[in-house]
Amino acid sequence: ILNVEQSPQSLHVQEGDSTNFTCSFPSSNFYALHWYRWETAKSPEALFVMTLNGDEKKKGRISATLNTKEGYSYLYIKGSQPEDSATYLCAYISNFGNEKLTFGTGTRLTIIP
Amino acid sequence: DAGITQSPRHKVTETGTPVTLRCHQTENHRYMYWYRQDPGHGLRLIHYSYGVKDTDKGEVSDGYSVSRSKTEDFLLTLESATSSQTSVYFCAISPAAGYNEQFFGPGTRLTVL
Repeated sequence: ILNVEQSPQSLHVQEGDSTNFTCSFPSSNFYALHWYRWETAKSPEALFVMTLNGDEKKKGRISATLNTKEGYSYLYIKGSQPEDSATYLCAYISNFGNEKLTFGTGTRLTIIP
Repeated sequence: DAGITQSPRHKVTETGTPVTLRCHQTENHRYMYWYRQDPGHGLRLIHYSYGVKDTDKGEVSDGYSVSRSKTEDFLLTLESATSSQTSVYFCAISPAAGYNEQFFGPGTRLTVL
């Protein structure tokens, strides 16, 4: 079983503040890492697919970095807004079975107005 | 939004009864996945399909079977439902493995009494 960990489990952030959280995954046999955003009562939606060491991706105020050698990815949110409240999931894909995603348990972000 | 639906959306059943959940897509994507979502576990892969009649197991496949007779439909069957299979089930689709994001359906809430 692949170990994909996310920290912290939950986070409360004041509106307007910036924040970041971590996804840790096995550093060997890396194939890709996905980030998903999951709002309450909705379905997960993809934010980023990251494949290369050193990758940086950005979508509006949200960005992500990838370090495959040490096995971690950071997700950053700049100037948090109430609509950023959601659970953020990362999912790791190994070279051994690149059709399967192994999800972390997520970081639940709550933005305080 | 990707054209993906799940039926039923809610179901209550009794222990020992068979249950079939349906995932239907209109995107003609090759890959289809079934996940379950449980508190503390995030999303866990049950089974997936990489083409018509081509399926493989995920990490929590015991007690579940799947079938895919057409590109657009992926069925998940609980042969004899148990209370431990009470969960929210999500279907996802993807045009290809690994480097492509997955698109999730709205989920099916299953309660086994």
